[in-house]
Parts: sequence; structure tokens; C-alpha cells
Amino acid sequence: GENVEQHPSTLSVQEGDSAVIKCTYSDSASNYFPWYKQELGKRPQLIIDIRSNVGEKKDQRIAVTLNKTAKHFSLHITETQPEDSAVYFCAASIGDYKLSFGAGTTVTVRA
Amino acid sequence: GAGVSQSPRYKVAKRGQDVALRCDPISGHVSLFWYQQALGQGPEFLTYFQNEAQLDKSGLPSDRFFAERPEGSVSTLKIQRTQQEDSAVYLCASTPLGVNTEAFFGQGTRLTVV
Repeated sequence: GENVEQHPSTLSVQEGDSAVIKCTYSDSASNYFPWYKQELGKRPQLIIDIRSNVGEKKDQRIAVTLNKTAKHFSLHITETQPEDSAVYFCAASIGDYKLSFGAGTTVTVRA
Repeated sequence: GAGVSQSPRYKVAKRGQDVALRCDPISGHVSLFWYQQALGQGPEFLTYFQNEAQLDKSGLPSDRFFAERPEGSVSTLKIQRTQQEDSAVYLCASTPLGVNTEAFFGQGTRLTVV
């Protein structure tokens, strides 16, 4: 089955700096790659997603890049703010509906 | 409702006890998923419904786990004879379609088996 690896497991950045989280996946048939943000004790919420027919997508301070050949994708957060502190999960699709999640990255933005 | 609602938020069960966890998806959402999230890990797929049909239950860890969605809206995840390794957060998610798209998660039920 699909195996998604996520790095790093923890990330501490100075406010205003950039944060980058990387994920790799194993199933070459995966075609949907969402990123979820989960604040402590709260529900996971989608922040950005990308499909396999594009290589990059941006939404304000957040961007995701996808390299299908290498089977890896990354989340980039620029100009980090304290409210960006949370756990971030990448995921890759298995078939039409199932998602395989990474283990998560705990991001701490230092003021 | 405004979002996916799960109840109870917290459940403490004695080992061997049966539990039932409820999920109210967003009205009109066709697809419903249950995930298990262990501490410090990402959600792990348990089962998938499209309307009332359970199309995939490949992630259920054992035959002690059972899920249903009889009328295609509210879903219940039942765990029989709970064991300590069942302790986790159980997340429900729904999507409007049956194909890969944004999943809306509930806040989860934190199950602790003592």
C-alpha cells in the first residue's frame, strides 16, 4: 500500500522566516496531495492541495510543489507568524477516495 | 449543521467494555470516512461509506470494530470488548463527492481504555 514519509518531525522557525516540510510517497498512481493543519485539540483543516497535473500551487503565504518523477512534494510557508504554529500533515491519495497520511510535523514559530 | 460533529468528545472505557462513537457529517455529503489517530501520528484510514454503502472497511483493525451509516447520513463506529491498544482519537470526515477532494473533519472522539 501507499507509504508516506514526512520530514522533519519538528521544526522551529523565527517569526518572519520560511518553513519547509517535505513528503515522499511510494504509489506512482497517487494523484491528489492535500496538506492539513491541526492545532492542539482541534480538527485537521485543509490548507492547500495539489493534483498530479500541476507542479506548483500558491495561496498567499503558502505554496506546495510536486515532483511526480521523484515522488515527493513539499509545503512552503513564507513570512511565518505565531498563528502558523501547529502540526502539519501531508497526505497522498490511494485510489479514488482513500488518503495515506504522513506522521506530521510540529511547527513552532518563535516570536 | 455548520460542520462535522462527533460525540462524545471524550470517552473513558474499561477494558472489555463496548463503545459507540457517533458522527454527524455535513448535510448532503455523500462520502464519510473514519480514521484512527494515535498520539503523535497521522490519521490512519479505517473505513469509507458512500451514502449508506460501506465500500471499504480494509482499515478496520479487527472484527471488534464495526461501522454503519444506515440512512446515508449519521454514522456510528462501534468497538466491542475494548482493549488498551484501541486508545486513540477517532476522527470522522465527510466530502461532498465520492472522489478525492477536500475532506472536512470532525473534532474527533478521544477514547481512553483503562
